[in-house]
Amino acid sequence: GAGVSQSPSNKVTEKGKDVELRCDPISGHTALYWYRQRLGQGLEFLIYFQGNSAPDKSGLPSDRFSAERTGESVSTLTIQRTQQEDSAVYLCASSLAPGQGVGGYTFGSGTRLTVV
Amino acid sequence: GESVGLHLPTLSVQEGDNSIINCAYSNSASDYFIWYKQESGKGPQFIIDIRSNMDKRQGQRVTVLLNKTVKHLSLQIAATQPGDSAVYFCAENPNQAGTALIFGKGTTLSVSS
Repeated sequence: GAGVSQSPSNKVTEKGKDVELRCDPISGHTALYWYRQRLGQGLEFLIYFQGNSAPDKSGLPSDRFSAERTGESVSTLTIQRTQQEDSAVYLCASSLAPGQGVGGYTFGSGTRLTVV
Repeated sequence: GESVGLHLPTLSVQEGDNSIINCAYSNSASDYFIWYKQESGKGPQFIIDIRSNMDKRQGQRVTVLLNKTVKHLSLQIAATQPGDSAVYFCAENPNQAGTALIFGKGTTLSVSS
């Protein structure tokens, strides 16, 4: 597609429920990233996929968080047993190559997750 | 922890003024830097980038300056307009294989008419 697409745009869930967030990267972008942005804060790295290489999961805050990516296409970020501190905007980005290339990353508009 | 930070969380200017947003980074090995603009409800958008072999790069109304000696990055916006109101983030590429960009906390720029 023309840009990075994320769904849903907003998600309200009850504490303890599982949620799944989706990201469709730009076609041809081999690298895909997930970041978390708490209210008024910067971007916190979560996980990054590059082609068929093992993903860099070093930013995942706990084992309740996991992500998958099928080839060089769609990625899903799953949060199990959600907690109120998981409330944030989850941003997905893609790029031609990890951290490089003109313009760096192209971001989606994010999924705003609210845990009540 | 984060290795990229900003000097001021907020900056308020009048329309037509020039704006300067600063960023300090700590990783001397970083080889690529980017400024992003994030408007309310949207994801960050690329503004301008600079590689570590340069000290200045100009775009339309924006200039990025890189001082590797003191590990400082700045974004200058000329003739600031109300549409420039947003949160601005700097990001660095740590130049380590398989490492994602590291973002700072952001500076909120408010432009009044």
